Amino acid sequence: QKEVEQNSGPLSVPEGAIASLNCTYSDRGSQSFFWYRQYSGKSPELIMFIYSNGDKEDGRFTAQLNKASQYVSLLIRDSQPSDSATYLCASLGGADGLTFGKGTHLIIQP
Amino acid sequence: DVKVTQSSRYLVKRTGEKVFLECVQDMDHENMFWYRQDPGLGLRLIYFSYDVKMKEKGDIPEGYSVSREKKERFSLILESASTNQTSMYLCASRASGSETGELFFGEGSRLTVL
Repeated sequence: QKEVEQNSGPLSVPEGAIASLNCTYSDRGSQSFFWYRQYSGKSPELIMFIYSNGDKEDGRFTAQLNKASQYVSLLIRDSQPSDSATYLCASLGGADGLTFGKGTHLIIQP
Repeated sequence: DVKVTQSSRYLVKRTGEKVFLECVQDMDHENMFWYRQDPGLGLRLIYFSYDVKMKEKGDIPEGYSVSREKKERFSLILESASTNQTSMYLCASRASGSETGELFFGEGSRLTVL
């Protein structure tokens, strides 16, 4: 059974600080990893994807992948109140759909 | 602009009723998926399809069936709705061989079974 684990939170971060979100995965065959952001009542939207070990940066967002330790993280720099949402970590291991974690609820405090 | 459209945003049905949830995508994607999302349980895959008339069970297929008669349309069917099928249902699509593997989601259908 493929599993993706995340701390459900809530994770509370002051505005302007760095928010750090983590997840671990069980399937060593997973090839790619994704971070989706989901606002309350809305569908998930892709923030970042990563498939190589190391860091990948896109604006205020940095995804980090460590395949040896089987963990993925997302850093959000200069956190804004609009970053408050649930962040879903997901892995892709084959032809079927992504396997999602249960999500981390992030709250950015003004 | 890519689009996945789900036919109903909100539905209320009674126990035992047959329920159809429709999903249409305009991106010519081969792969389509149905997830349900519940508080504390996250997104769980019900069924997926990688081609017309093809279907594969996901993690929680019991009580559901699907139909894919055309490439752009993927339907989820609840033959006899039960209260434990009250949930948010999300349809998604993805191109085969996509470099990113990104799923594109519809807006969701919130189903309440009384």
